[in-house]
Amino acid sequence: KAGVTQTPRYLIKTRGQQVTLSCSPISGHRSVSWYQQTPGQGLQFLFEYFSETQRNKGNFPGRFSGRQFSNSRSEMNVSTLELGDSALYLCASSIQAGGPVYEQYFGPGTRLTVT
Amino acid sequence: KNQVEQSPQSLIILEGKNCTLQCNYTVSPFSNLRWYKQDTGRGPVSLTIMTFSENTKSNGRYTATLDADTKQSSLHITASQLSDSASYICVVSARGDYKLSFGAGTTVTVRA
Repeated sequence: KAGVTQTPRYLIKTRGQQVTLSCSPISGHRSVSWYQQTPGQGLQFLFEYFSETQRNKGNFPGRFSGRQFSNSRSEMNVSTLELGDSALYLCASSIQAGGPVYEQYFGPGTRLTVT
Repeated sequence: KNQVEQSPQSLIILEGKNCTLQCNYTVSPFSNLRWYKQDTGRGPVSLTIMTFSENTKSNGRYTATLDADTKQSSLHITASQLSDSASYICVVSARGDYKLSFGAGTTVTVRA
């Protein structure tokens, strides 16, 4: 079974631009979560989508948005990029078939550099 | 605010030696605790998941313990190998909440 894939793997953008990152979950997984990882802050939760609906949201400004498609693929968009948005953006998928314990599988991440 | 604190921040050990990483949390009500291993430049990989009823779980040379009363967990690495060099992240989930609370991680460096 193929793992979680993220594209692109590396990205360089300029301040003020916008960027769209893509995540394809493991086949059969309906939940996709996005995280930002920086050396100073560690892993921080951005949002989670389940069956095309945003179910949870972290404490990030409105410049960060996302969506999920009917095939469970998800995209994350960051508008008006700031230098502080430079980070590794990780996507994780899970089945969430039921119960509180569910395994999350992470993708390799997209390394975004804002100059 | 739910918090997860890990110690030490980093450690260096010689190949073949054992080490123990610590995780303290304030997440409540507790649902489960996970340990992830993250190699540099890659996504985290799950090592163990424990619910409140489990107090120890092993995955090869990795053994995690959980004390839900004191809200502490540890990850023990036995007979370390160079490939164990990575960041180890403790993650706690609250019951009824799909969000995960992440620790800052412990960076382990194994030297030959």
